[in-house]
Amino acid sequence: QKEVEQDPGPLSVPEGAIVSLNCTYSNSAFQYFMWYRQYSRKGPELLMYTYSSGNKEDGRFTAQVDKSSKYISLFIRDSQPSDSATYLCAFQGAQKLVFGQGTRLTINP
Amino acid sequence: DVKVTQSSRYLVKRTGEKVFLECVQDMDHENMFWYRQDPGLGLRLIYFSYDVKMKEKGDIPEGYSVSREKKERFSLILESASTNQTSMYLCASSLNQRAEAFFGQGTRLTVV
Repeated sequence: QKEVEQDPGPLSVPEGAIVSLNCTYSNSAFQYFMWYRQYSRKGPELLMYTYSSGNKEDGRFTAQVDKSSKYISLFIRDSQPSDSATYLCAFQGAQKLVFGQGTRLTINP
Repeated sequence: DVKVTQSSRYLVKRTGEKVFLECVQDMDHENMFWYRQDPGLGLRLIYFSYDVKMKEKGDIPEGYSVSREKKERFSLILESASTNQTSMYLCASSLNQRAEAFFGQGTRLTVV
């Protein structure tokens, strides 16, 4: 079983839609949870960082963590064409930093 | 703002060459990481370091080595480049193992 599972997509939605991106994990040592956005030919940039179960909101982005189910989500409200990118979930614990495969998202005007 | 700088955006090297990829961070971070990113495979950890002169193998260390002589600098070395090492290489750093990681802009290496 992989430590992290993330649907690679691609995912295509119309502008203004709510986007839901998800990852599951199996390693109970993971205590810190991140979402990154990566534009083509660029390095990933940090979007959200959290370490507790529940929701964390930042503008149009909400990160949700459910430690009991080993499941994290990223919601994007009022999606914009500029949100088109690959989104990676990441997990840190026991000195390891492990990434999901990334979901390629396209927002259509 | 944290800045992680990789020495080159694009590199073309010949098979058998020794290749050095340099990464520098300016925020006194303890941890530094080297990943490679390939289509369909995501980010795979090559090596990481949690202190000066310390290094740990990641998931795919074969064919690579690293050096961390100073806290701010983490170098990835391809001892004898091969075509299957053509990839996007990403360096990252984090304050410690409880903190978020920040990435450089990446080095796209082509081995011919």
